[in-house]
This record gives sequence, structure tokens and C-alpha cells, in this order.
Amino acid sequence: TQTVSQSDAHVTVFEGDSVELRCNYSYGGSIYLSWYIQHHGHGLQFLLKYYSGNPVVQGVNGFEAEFSKSDSSFHLRKASVHWSDSAVYFCAVSAYSNNRIFFGDGTQLVVKP
Amino acid sequence: GPKVLQIPSHQIIDMGQMVTLNCDPVSNHLYFYWYKQILGQQMEFLVNFYNGKVMEKSKLFKDQFSVERPDGSYFTLKIQPTALEDSAVYFCASSSGQNERLFFGHGTKLSVL
Repeated sequence: TQTVSQSDAHVTVFEGDSVELRCNYSYGGSIYLSWYIQHHGHGLQFLLKYYSGNPVVQGVNGFEAEFSKSDSSFHLRKASVHWSDSAVYFCAVSAYSNNRIFFGDGTQLVVKP
Repeated sequence: GPKVLQIPSHQIIDMGQMVTLNCDPVSNHLYFYWYKQILGQQMEFLVNFYNGKVMEKSKLFKDQFSVERPDGSYFTLKIQPTALEDSAVYFCASSSGQNERLFFGHGTKLSVL
């Protein structure tokens, strides 16, 4: 069974700062990795996804993530955050062999003005 | 963009009663999912559904839970009877294919008293 962990429950930064949200996974086979964002009171919205090729994937609103097989990681980054980026970010993993998509516990990002 | 609609947004019921949560997925999507979220974190996979059948379900998908999507109608999650621990926000999602990005609804907050 695939698992995913997000080590930081909360991250606080100032507007204009860069940020990295960490995600680590465990699974022995081929997987899909993705990131979703959840604003308060709403459902999750897709940011980006990786399954093969260039390990750095670009998403919406200036987000990118880098896959590392050696570290079993898929960290999310943004060079300069805006207050509207404040939300909960979920890393997700699913195996090629099934359609069960597992989410991490989420990281609450707070961007201060 | 494509939208998943969930009805109602909030449901309050007494323990032991039956409840049906309704989801109108993105048209032409083939895969449907239910997730349970507690305290604004931890998106827990419940079940996925394809071609009129449950494909996979988690341990959280108790015997009291059932899903169906009669032709051309809502994708529903029924809980009968409800228990106090069923209180949570339930999110419906749909996708166009296996391991494709999920589109989420805004959730139904279920309060079991």
C-alpha cells in the first residue's frame, strides 16, 4: 500500500518569501504524485502532477514540484508567495496498479502581509 | 471550469437515522469518489466507483455505507444507520480516467447528533 507523509502541519511565511512544502511517499512500484490546494470551506483543487519525464513539474499560480526517487520526495515550491496562497496544501499519491488516491495530512500555509 | 456539485451543503440528523449525500459529478467523467475529512485536515479515502460498481473501498467504508449512481442521476453516498463518528465533511470527486486529476465538490458537512 502506498503512503504519503507531510512533515509540516503548519508553515508561516511573509508575502514575497519563497516557500517549500515537503512531501515524502513510500511505495515499491510506479506511482503518480500530485498536489492539491484547499481554501477554507471549499473542496480541493488540483495544482500539478508527476508520473514520468522531467522531475520538475510546473503547476498553476507559479507553483512547481520536484520528484526525487532517491529521497522518495515530491516537495512543492513557490518562489514568491502572495497572501492569497494561504490555504491547506495536500500531497497525494496513487499507484499505477489501482485508482486509490491517498492524501497526506495536509500543510496549512499562512502568508502574512 | 468543470464543476462537481454537492447537495446539501450541510445536513443535521439524529443518530440512527438514514442520510443520503448527493453528488452531481462532472459530465462525461467516469470515475467517482467519496472522501471524508475531519477537522479540516486528513482527507480519508472512502470508496471509488466505476461502471456502476465499487472498485475499491477503505476500512472506513463500513457496512452501513453504500454508494450508487442510477443512470443519469446523482452519485450518492448513503449511511444507514448513522453514528456519531460519522460527523465530518464528505467530499465527492470525479475524474475522466484512472489516476487522472480529481475534481472536487465543496463538500457536505454532516452533523450527527
